[in-house]
Amino acid sequence: EVQLVESGGGLVQPGGSLRLSCAASGFTFSSYEMNWVRQAPGKGLEWVSYISSGGTTIYYADSVKGRFTISRDNAKNSLYLQMNSLRAEDTAVYYCARSPYSGSDHFDYWGQGALVTVSS
Amino acid sequence: EIVLTQSPATLSLSPGERATLSCRASQSVSNYLAWYQQKPGQAPRLIIYDASNRATGIPARFSGSGSGTDFTLTISSLEPEDFAVYYCQQRGNWPPLTFGGGTKVEIK
Repeated sequence: EVQLVESGGGLVQPGGSLRLSCAASGFTFSSYEMNWVRQAPGKGLEWVSYISSGGTTIYYADSVKGRFTISRDNAKNSLYLQMNSLRAEDTAVYYCARSPYSGSDHFDYWGQGALVTVSS
Repeated sequence: EIVLTQSPATLSLSPGERATLSCRASQSVSNYLAWYQQKPGQAPRLIIYDASNRATGIPARFSGSGSGTDFTLTISSLEPEDFAVYYCQQRGNWPPLTFGGGTKVEIK
């Protein structure tokens, strides 16, 4: 069974940092492209970042470019999102999501989400 | 950036009725459009990919159509578990991947 489990969310002050993790199981993690998608409270979905299966190709939304860093450790079946210089508008549930095949760029499995709250 | 506009924002229907949801793109995305269902407190679930392909385990009452800039998600006969928010998402021209603002299907 495919599982994605996020961790690392919490309350952080504006300007602070947080690192989210996504533990993958039930599939060959190293073969899949992965993404982070977020959802502010009561709002819609916003794509945040993409990383290719080998980690060589990375994209970011303009809203997080220069502040967030996506990475993965295929040996540990894990995806990460390092978030720096956090702002109130980064407050959201952050989901890791799998793309089902190379170039598919939609999301067939999602984690349960990690809540990040940026507030003083 | 491709903007996706979903309409209506809210659809009030009764179980058994047909639901028709629209997603319009600001420029052509070919057939690279997906639909997701999200219930309160849950992660989104993939319903349709590449405009008309049902995802694994999705009932046949869900169907998708369209290409270019105009897309439709149809639920032929609403079941109680279908009342949720639905989002479209494009991958025709990215980054960035973009989502529509959502359509809430509520019980009338």
